[in-house]
Amino acid sequence: AQSVTQLGSHVSVSEGALVLLRCNYSSSVPPYLFWYVQYPNQGLQLLLKYTSAATLVKGINGFEAEFKKSETSFHLTKPSAHMSDAAEYFCAVSYASGNTPLVFGKGTRLSVIA
Amino acid sequence: KAGVTQTPRYLIKTRGQQVTLSCSPISGHRSVSWYQQTPGQGLQFLFEYFSETQRNKGNFPGRFSGRQFSNSRSEMNVSTLELGDSALYLCASSSSPTATYEQYFGPGTRLTVT
Repeated sequence: AQSVTQLGSHVSVSEGALVLLRCNYSSSVPPYLFWYVQYPNQGLQLLLKYTSAATLVKGINGFEAEFKKSETSFHLTKPSAHMSDAAEYFCAVSYASGNTPLVFGKGTRLSVIA
Repeated sequence: KAGVTQTPRYLIKTRGQQVTLSCSPISGHRSVSWYQQTPGQGLQFLFEYFSETQRNKGNFPGRFSGRQFSNSRSEMNVSTLELGDSALYLCASSSSPTATYEQYFGPGTRLTVT
């Protein structure tokens, strides 16, 4: 069975500082991995996805994530945080076969301090 | 192109009642998935429909049901509501049910059971 663990339910960074949100997955077969963002009172928006091509994936709003099979990790980073990045971030996994639904992590709430 | 729309946005029901939530996918999308989001359990998959057929179902009791119409619009129904059913119900649409295709989420329906 697939699962996703997001370390840290709440991360706080200063504006301009590095953002690092951690995600570890468990999957018995090659995974597809996703990061979504949710702003208050809104649905989820896809930031980026890994589907077995390049291991370093670039997404929207300056975010990127690196797939590390040896560490079963897919951490999300952004070099410089903006106030507008404050939101809830979700990591999700699906099988590479694509025929299974997304399994989400519990989410990490990112706060950006001015 | 209009996004995923969900109606109603907010709903208050009494324990024991039933409720129907509606989701209109992005034009041309034939896959619709439903998720329940709660503070305690996070995002949990309910079911997925593609071309009017249920392809996957999550681990929810039979009180939760859904259907998809020929125009791809989908409804989910919860019968005999319980207090624990209070949640944000999110609908997502995709052009294909495979994981490589991005899911576009609606803003959700906030259900409160009293």
